[in-house]
Parts: sequence; C-alpha cells; structure tokens
Amino acid sequence: QQPVQSPQAVILREGEDAVINCSSSKALYSVHWYRQKHGEAPVFLMILLKGGEQKGHEKISASFNEKKQQSSLYLTASQLSYSGTYFCGTDGSGTYKYIFGTGTRLKVLA
Amino acid sequence: DAEITQSPRHKITETGRQVTLACHQTWNHNNMFWYRQDLGHGLRLIHYSYGVQDTNKGEVSDGYSVSRSNTEDLPLTLESAASSQTSVYFCASSSGGPSGANVLTFGAGSRLTVL
Repeated sequence: QQPVQSPQAVILREGEDAVINCSSSKALYSVHWYRQKHGEAPVFLMILLKGGEQKGHEKISASFNEKKQQSSLYLTASQLSYSGTYFCGTDGSGTYKYIFGTGTRLKVLA
Repeated sequence: DAEITQSPRHKITETGRQVTLACHQTWNHNNMFWYRQDLGHGLRLIHYSYGVQDTNKGEVSDGYSVSRSNTEDLPLTLESAASSQTSVYFCASSSGGPSGANVLTFGAGSRLTVL
C-alpha cells in the first residue's frame, strides 16, 4: 500500500517555509525523497536509512521517525526553483520492491 | 554517459490494441521498474525485475506484462489497451545494492493516450 503524503498541495511565497509529511501503514526501513519538475522525470533528493536520521540538501532537510513510520521533508526559505511535486519512496523490508507515496504538489510564487 | 531511454515519448492508440513501451538502460543496473503516474495517485508500481528472466507484479499490474531477456531492456506491454490505461509511464532502474539504499534513476517518461 502506498505511503500517504500530506498536504496534497501547498502554495508558498518565496522565502516561506513548508513541511511535507510521509506516513506509512507498514514498517519503513528507509525513506527516500524525490522531486519532479513539471513535465520531467523525478530526481533523487536524499535518502534516510536509520530512524532518527536527518539530512539536508541545499535548504531542504528531512527527518525519519522509524517508530512512527513517518518521514518529514522541510523546505526552508523556499525559492522559485523548489516548485514541483515531491515524493517519498521506500523499497520495503529487504526487498527491492520500490513504492512511492501519493505525492505533494508545491508551488512557490514570487 | 550512461542513460535510461524510453520510447515512444508520446503514443495515441485505440481501445483493444496491443501497445509496447520500450525501456533501455546503459547503467548496467540489475533492477528495473515500470510506474504509471496519474493525478491524485502519484507513482504506482506496475512491474519490476531483479535481473534477467526475473519479473514481479507490482501494485497495479492487471492488463500489463513485462519480460526481461537481457540486462538493458524491460519492455512494458499492454495486451489490450483500455481508456483507464491513459497515463504517463515511467521506467526506472537501480543498481541493486543494499536494500534500503537503492536510488532510482528515471527515464523521461512515455505519455500514452487510449481513445
């Protein structure tokens, strides 16, 4: 079953912050985050392998709560270039069956 | 440079016709995947393969089939196209390293319209 992301869509002004959540009904052993620009393929942002791990990429960071089976993506001081659809992804418990969350559409306005 | 290519990029077909979408990667990756993308559903897994002669069903495999005769290619076949299969299809591959650490590389996508 797909992880559920929230919110489904968000609109920001440049410089504002946003949080995107990813929640799974099954145990998460790792969480990956991807960004997809309109009309393009998804591109890998970051991977979190351990519960409690946090990572950053530019002004984008993420956390992973293994016990709650949740991950959150934090976008700080958003830029126009952050617009796109964000997906969390996971390859499950020791398999390579790679599934994605439902996606969050983010639009940053000038 | 290594790459993953999909063809055709755009296809219009009629209900009931057989359609094959090609995916070719030069990364020498063991794992290959097919997804469909629809608004409100994100990316849904159709089929995946761990290597030559291996194929597995994903979450939405009904009406689709794949075969893996070599490392580079994983064609997706719609046996009898239906309007519900109108979608954007993405092929992806990964190296097959430690589970949990696999990063997917995507093709540019194939937009299929079934009339």
